[in-house]
Amino acid sequence: SQTIHQWPATLVQPVGSPLSLECTVEGTSNPNLYWYRQAAGRGLQLLFYSVGIGQISSEVPQNLSASRPQDRQFILSSKKLLLSDSGFYLCAWSTPRDRGHEQYFGPGTRLTVT
Amino acid sequence: SQKIEQNSEALNIQEGKTATLTCNYTNYSPAYLQWYRQDPGRGPVFLLLIRENEKEKRKERLKVTFDTTLKQSLFHITASQPADSATYLCALGATGGFKTIFGAGTRLFVKA
Repeated sequence: SQTIHQWPATLVQPVGSPLSLECTVEGTSNPNLYWYRQAAGRGLQLLFYSVGIGQISSEVPQNLSASRPQDRQFILSSKKLLLSDSGFYLCAWSTPRDRGHEQYFGPGTRLTVT
Repeated sequence: SQKIEQNSEALNIQEGKTATLTCNYTNYSPAYLQWYRQDPGRGPVFLLLIRENEKEKRKERLKVTFDTTLKQSLFHITASQPADSATYLCALGATGGFKTIFGAGTRLFVKA
């Protein structure tokens, strides 16, 4: 069966510090991968998606970036965090055929920027 | 701009009753609509997907309807249980597109 991992589970970082969140998927090949951010009381906001190694599409211009160094690894980064980067970050995957739907989410990372 | 509206007020129902959640959307013609369940502090869990050419879909105690004329989906949980208490998210997408638009969700409380 497929599983998706995210770490860390929680993170408190000062403004201006760098960020690296990691997501890995097991039990599937060539998945579509997604990074979302969820603010309190609001819907999930798609940040990035990837259809393959090194292929990243950005949905929202911001100070975040994403990379996919391996087939089942997706990394979310920032060089300098802003207060507005606080939120619940979720990684998700779908099969290559299921573009944007039937997504399976990881446990999430709660980021607080102070 | 595209907009999804879900009732921001929590829905409180008694165990055994049918819970009905509503999802309305504007400025969009989705090819499919999805429902996810999210527990506090956890990632959403995919429940059901219904396509634009389908009127109704069922899965165990769950039923989803999709009215593209009214731009509305209804999500029903029959014989509700306290374990059904969670936030339910509606999400829309287009054929071949990766961008899924999520609603903010409706919180459901089922009392024993």
